[in-house]
Amino acid sequence: SAVISQKPSRDICQRGTSLTIQCQVDSQVTMMFWYRQQPGQSLTLIATANQGSEATYESGFVIDKFPISRPNLTFSTLTVSNLSPEDSSIYLCSASRGGEGNEQFFGPGTRLTVL
Amino acid sequence: ELKVEQNPLFLSMQEGKNYTIYCNYSTTSDRLYWYRQDPGKSLESLFVLLSNGAVKQEGRLMASLDTKARLSTLHITAAVHDLSATYFCAVEGGGPYPHSGGGADGLTFGKGTHLIIQP
Repeated sequence: SAVISQKPSRDICQRGTSLTIQCQVDSQVTMMFWYRQQPGQSLTLIATANQGSEATYESGFVIDKFPISRPNLTFSTLTVSNLSPEDSSIYLCSASRGGEGNEQFFGPGTRLTVL
Repeated sequence: ELKVEQNPLFLSMQEGKNYTIYCNYSTTSDRLYWYRQDPGKSLESLFVLLSNGAVKQEGRLMASLDTKARLSTLHITAAVHDLSATYFCAVEGGGPYPHSGGGADGLTFGKGTHLIIQP
């Protein structure tokens, strides 16, 4: 398994500002992903964080709103830009080593509240 | 587009009883996952199912996969209060950019089953 940490664990932000969330894995992984979980809801994939290249976004998510970096095999950031109250959610990163039988492990999440 | 449907979405049961959560998905996928989430916590990986007929068991939980029917089940035997949580199934793939080689795809989740086990 992999141990994943996220910073910050929670934040309260003002409308129109941005928040950058960091995700650190304790060992090298092939794939990293970012998800959003709105209150009381399931998880929705935002994007795949590709190492050394631009992230791959799912339908309904765009780079201008959710820029992602992945400078190496253990670290990624997600920025939520131009915040609005609708962005209030939990944001989770996950990681996978790929290959047969691989698992996807999740970080503890970042709880974002936008006022 | 990959769709994942879980049922029931809410389940209240008594300790000692058995029950099954169902997960249907709409297109072929490489892997099916079961996760547990406690209130205010992240996701705990329970099972990864890879092939048709796969069955995995851990304690009072058993998961199975029928790829032909595109159905997975999570069976709870002799439930205990500590198993109260939300259970999600998730299927790999379904986005517009399927992986190649040995990589992995992001997951498409079901809506979750909120399970309450009453003493």
